[in-house]
Amino acid sequence: KQEVTQIPAALSVPEGENLVLNCSFTDSAIYNLQWFRQDPGKGLTSLLLIQSSQREQTSGRLNASLDKSSGRSTLYIAASQPGDSATYLCAVIQNTGANSKLTFGKGITLSVRP
Amino acid sequence: EAGVAQSPRYKIIEKRQSVAFWCNPISGHATLYWYQQILGQGPKLLIQFQNNGVVDDSQLPKDRFSAERLKGVDSTLKIQPAKLEDSAVYLCASSPGPGVVYEQYFGPGTRLTVT
Repeated sequence: KQEVTQIPAALSVPEGENLVLNCSFTDSAIYNLQWFRQDPGKGLTSLLLIQSSQREQTSGRLNASLDKSSGRSTLYIAASQPGDSATYLCAVIQNTGANSKLTFGKGITLSVRP
Repeated sequence: EAGVAQSPRYKIIEKRQSVAFWCNPISGHATLYWYQQILGQGPKLLIQFQNNGVVDDSQLPKDRFSAERLKGVDSTLKIQPAKLEDSAVYLCASSPGPGVVYEQYFGPGTRLTVT
């Protein structure tokens, strides 16, 4: 059974700091890995999707890396801003025959202090 | 392109009452998912539809939860009767197809509070 872990559960940093959010998974037989952002009480916004054949993806100040063999992914946020405050979830996507299955971590709640 | 629409956005009910949530997927998306996200947890799949047929409902508490997608477009998720532990955000997602090559797109969610 796939398990996705995100530690720590919460993180508080001062504005301007570069930071890394970690995600680990137990079964390396994944198809893709996706990072989402979730604001309080809201839905999920996709940030980056990394295909299993890729090592990383970049979008603006965000960079996500994937190491399937070690079961790890990181989300790097450069020059953090108060507007980055949210919960960040990673999800691994696996092939289940004709379907796909997303397994989510519990998320890391980030607070960026002005 | 319009995204996944859900309503209502918020709902407060008392335990043992019933409630229904509505989802309108992205136009043309054949696959529709309902997830339950309890506070502090990641979303958990409740049910997956392919057009108007159920593909996976293995984690749906069928004694109290039901869902339908009669015309293969909109979907309704119902809880009857509700329990305190049903308090959660209910997320609807859709994708063009069921396979791993298709990304899932999520709606804004419905926050349910059961008192």
